[in-house]
Amino acid sequence: AQSVTQPDIHITVSEGASLELRCNYSYGATPYLFWYVQSPGQGLQLLLKYFSGDTLVQGIKGFEAEFKRSQSSFNLRKPSVHWSDAAEYFCAVGGGADGLTFGKGTHLIIQP
Amino acid sequence: DAGVIQSPRHEVTEMGQEVTLRCKPISGHDYLFWYRQTMMRGLELLIYFNNNVPIDDSGMPEDRFSAKMPNASFSTLKIQPSEPRDSAVYFCASSGQGVYNSPLHFGNGTRLTVT
Repeated sequence: AQSVTQPDIHITVSEGASLELRCNYSYGATPYLFWYVQSPGQGLQLLLKYFSGDTLVQGIKGFEAEFKRSQSSFNLRKPSVHWSDAAEYFCAVGGGADGLTFGKGTHLIIQP
Repeated sequence: DAGVIQSPRHEVTEMGQEVTLRCKPISGHDYLFWYRQTMMRGLELLIYFNNNVPIDDSGMPEDRFSAKMPNASFSTLKIQPSEPRDSAVYFCASSGQGVYNSPLHFGNGTRLTVT
């Protein structure tokens, strides 16, 4: 069965600093990979997705992610975070018949 | 485009009562998903529909849970009888081009509290 691990439950970053959120997945074939963001009291919003092709994908709000097959990873990055980036971030994997499987999320805290 | 609309936003009920959560997907979207979010288990897919037909309900925890989609613009998730362990945020999401080919558009969720 497919699975997603987000090893960091909480991450604290200073405003203006760079960010990397980790995501490792388990899937038997080439996966579909996603990053979603959730603001308090709201549903999830898609940041970016990877299906095939260029392993570095660009998303909204200045985010990017890199697919590394050898490491089964799909880490999310942003060169300079803003206070408005504080939220919960979810990595998700799909491709089989099970629908999308989400990680448990990483809570991002931005320090002024 | 109003997005995915869920109602109610909050529901507080007593153990044993029936609970019905409602969802209106984005017009034209063929796929509808119900997810449950808890601190312990994260986001869990309960069931999803394609063209109003349930495709995968393997995530439905037990027979107390049922979901219907009588038409393309409406779906319900029912819990009968409810139990305290059902307390969670329930999200409905829809997508237009399949399970993976297009993004999921989430509603704002229904926060269910069962006392």
